[in-house]
Formats: sequence, structure tokens, C-alpha cells
Amino acid sequence: DGGITQSPKYLFRKEGQNVTLSCEQNLNHDAMYWYRQDPGQGLRLIYYSQIVNDFQKGDIAEGYSVSREKKESFPLTVTSAQKNPTAFYLCASSPLLDSPPGGEQYFGPGTRLTVT
Amino acid sequence: GQNIDQPTEMTATEGAIVQINCTYQTSGFNGLFWYQQHAGEAPTFLSYNVLDGLEEKGRFSSFLSRSKGYSYLLLKELQMKDSASYLCVAMDSNYQLIWGAGTKLIIKP
Repeated sequence: DGGITQSPKYLFRKEGQNVTLSCEQNLNHDAMYWYRQDPGQGLRLIYYSQIVNDFQKGDIAEGYSVSREKKESFPLTVTSAQKNPTAFYLCASSPLLDSPPGGEQYFGPGTRLTVT
Repeated sequence: GQNIDQPTEMTATEGAIVQINCTYQTSGFNGLFWYQQHAGEAPTFLSYNVLDGLEEKGRFSSFLSRSKGYSYLLLKELQMKDSASYLCVAMDSNYQLIWGAGTKLIIKP
């Protein structure tokens, strides 16, 4: 079965702690993305990567970091510098970015992070 | 700037037809996507339009007018399971996706 996995589904952390969200895909997709979704808002892009060992900041990268050491994996670290980390985090992947419908994205089930 | 406008919420009756409108402003254009998102779940791809006109896929159809910066998603024979948010997404000339906030569709029996 091909797909994207994110774990865990729910995550609770204390303020001031860094936390890493995992994302793995076996679709052989080149591009991977991290989004944040807050209630009543659209998806906001945090980081994306089109190739191993390379990634770009999205619209709201501050307070987050990523790595892309393997094609299949794109973990996101939410650092203590992120002011409002509580949100629903979605990982996605797609074929070549510039090959429509390369924009068709396949999403993992998401991780709901709560920081108190 | 780049933005997407779509209604926040719509209500329709089971078995009926509903049209969800979306207008977009982007720097260049490489297509318009519609995604469905059930509460608490990830979005799933519904349709992609890059040329003007109507694309039909079962009970769902999507329309695009590039000159008007306008798209709609048409859902026929509504079922209770169609209750979800519908996200309009435009791709700009740099292949970046601009996501709308979504239209929450409520289906009543």
C-alpha cells in the first residue's frame, strides 16, 4: 500500500520543549511539504522540499526546522521559538512540482499538536 | 497580492445540487484544484482544471474561467457523507499553491 504516514496522531508538549513530527512516504514522490492548519483558516505552508538535502521556507517558517536526508522522510521540528505551536500539522507529497498535475498533493492523516 | 475567496459556509439538502464558488488572484496561473476535507482529517484531491470549461467526474464537476479568475465546484445528488469543507487552491506561475480557507458544506436530511 502506497501512502504517507504521520505519527503520532495526537501530541502533547509543555511550552519550551522542542518536538519533532514525523512524515514518511512510499509513493516515490520528489516533493514533500509541511502545512499548518488553524481553525477556520486555509492551509499555510511551513517548508517544502523538492529534492533530497534541499528545502525551502514557506510562508510561516519561523520557529520551525526540517531536514530531508532521505527521499522518503521529511521530519518537522517545532522549536520553542514558535509562538503559537498548537495546531493541526499536515504533511503532503507530490510528483514533480513543475509537472501538472504535480500540484496534486497526497496528504498524511495529520498530527494535532497541543502545547500547554 | 495573491488570494482566494470562497464562501465560509453553505447549507444544502440531501439529494439536491449545490454550487461552491471560488475567485482567485494569482501571479500567473498553472491550474485550479479542489480538495475535500472532512472534519479532523486530511484533504483529499477532487479535481484539477487548467483550461476553461467544465470537467465532470461522477457526481462532482468543476468549472474554470481563466479570464474571470473564477471556478466552481458542483455537487449533484448530495449525500450526507458530502458534509465537509471544500478547499479551492490555485497554482501560480512559480508552481506555488495558494490555499483558500475552505467552504464548510452542511447537508440536511
